[in-house]
Amino acid sequence: DGGITQSPKYLFRKEGQNVTLSCEQNLNHDAMYWYRQDPGQGLRLIYYSQIVNDFQKGDIAEGYSVSREKKESFPLTVTSAQKNPTAFYLCASTDRGATGELFFGEGSRLTVL
Amino acid sequence: GNSVTQMEGPVTLSEEAFLTINCTYTATGYPSLFWYVQYPGEGLQLLLKATKADDKGSNKGFEATYRKETTSFHLEKGSVQVSDSAVYFCALSDHSGTYKYIFGTGTRLKVLA
Repeated sequence: DGGITQSPKYLFRKEGQNVTLSCEQNLNHDAMYWYRQDPGQGLRLIYYSQIVNDFQKGDIAEGYSVSREKKESFPLTVTSAQKNPTAFYLCASTDRGATGELFFGEGSRLTVL
Repeated sequence: GNSVTQMEGPVTLSEEAFLTINCTYTATGYPSLFWYVQYPGEGLQLLLKATKADDKGSNKGFEATYRKETTSFHLEKGSVQVSDSAVYFCALSDHSGTYKYIFGTGTRLKVLA
């Protein structure tokens, strides 16, 4: 089945450590996105990428980094510069075509100890 | 800039009650409009969508009509079930070429048996 796979589902990190969240899709989608979700809040865009080897900052990019070396992969690194990294992270993709809908992964919950 | 405003939650209803969750938007041009649903600990799933004015999206008994004159996309269901308890997000995508999606803050629905 086609879809988006995020890993790990749960991750614990000590302060000062960088962590990388994986996002892989087999939908052949061009565009991929990372969102952050905090309790009781909506989704905030961290980074997005429309094509391989290109990505743009979203609304809350500070303290995060991404790469897009392959069409199917868009990993997110949460760096030690991110002051409040505990959150639920969602990866999504779209084909940018007529349907226009975003497909989401199951999410990764990061907790900083 | 583009924005989405949806009603504050939580919304608590008895089983078989009528549901309305209000959503209004601000956008230039003719965005596509979406409703997504999120169950606890999971990613978002597309519930329905509409891509042009007066379109009605529908799925699983839920409906929403794209009203350009009132810039609204209210979600309705005639008879809710306990299994509909979730968080509902209204969203839009512009067609300016950036393929950015704007989400509302979400409305939590709780249906009591």
